[in-house]
Amino acid sequence: NAGVTQTPKFQVLKTGQSMTLQCAQDMNHNSMYWYRQDPGMGLRLIYYSASEGTTDKGEVPNGYNVSRLNKREFSLRLESAAPSQTSVYFCASSGLQGIGGYTFGSGTRLTVV
Amino acid sequence: AQSVTQPDIHITVSEGASLELRCNYSYGATPYLFWYVQSPGQGLQLLLKYFSGDTLVQGIKGFEAEFKRSQSSFNLRKPSVHWSDAAEYFCAVALYSGNTPLVFGKGTRLSVIA
Repeated sequence: NAGVTQTPKFQVLKTGQSMTLQCAQDMNHNSMYWYRQDPGMGLRLIYYSASEGTTDKGEVPNGYNVSRLNKREFSLRLESAAPSQTSVYFCASSGLQGIGGYTFGSGTRLTVV
Repeated sequence: AQSVTQPDIHITVSEGASLELRCNYSYGATPYLFWYVQSPGQGLQLLLKYFSGDTLVQGIKGFEAEFKRSQSSFNLRKPSVHWSDAAEYFCAVALYSGNTPLVFGKGTRLSVIA
């Protein structure tokens, strides 16, 4: 089925460890996004990529890096995980800068201990 | 700064009753407006969107929303709620022009009782 695929679905890290969250879409969308979801906070934008080759910071970029590997793939890296990064991470993609609505992945639940 | 407000954190309705979820935004111009739904443990699914034209828009699962420019609101409604509608609902906006991503409200959790 067409859509957005995120891996892994669950991850437990120790403080200071690093990891990369993977995201791939097969809808030929130009734009891709990483959000984090925390209870009572809604979704907050971490980074986004309006098109292949570009990335921009969102509302909460500290502690994260991203790579737009090609048009399909957009990864999120935590270089040194902290307990404050415990969250559910969602990747999404869209055409025309979100005007048509996003397609979301099913999320990665990350716990940092 | 752009902001989206969903005043109700949690709403409980009886099955078969009507539903209205509120959303207000603060932007200089009319933005693109969206409602998403998230079932427990799932990603978000687009319910409906408004860009221009008719201010009453129909979406999936029997939902509709009305854009009111004078009130900067985009409230979501359903005439008769089903138990399967229990979920979290998010309002989101994007600027009419420019290259800004969606800004989401904090969500309203809907519980449905028999």
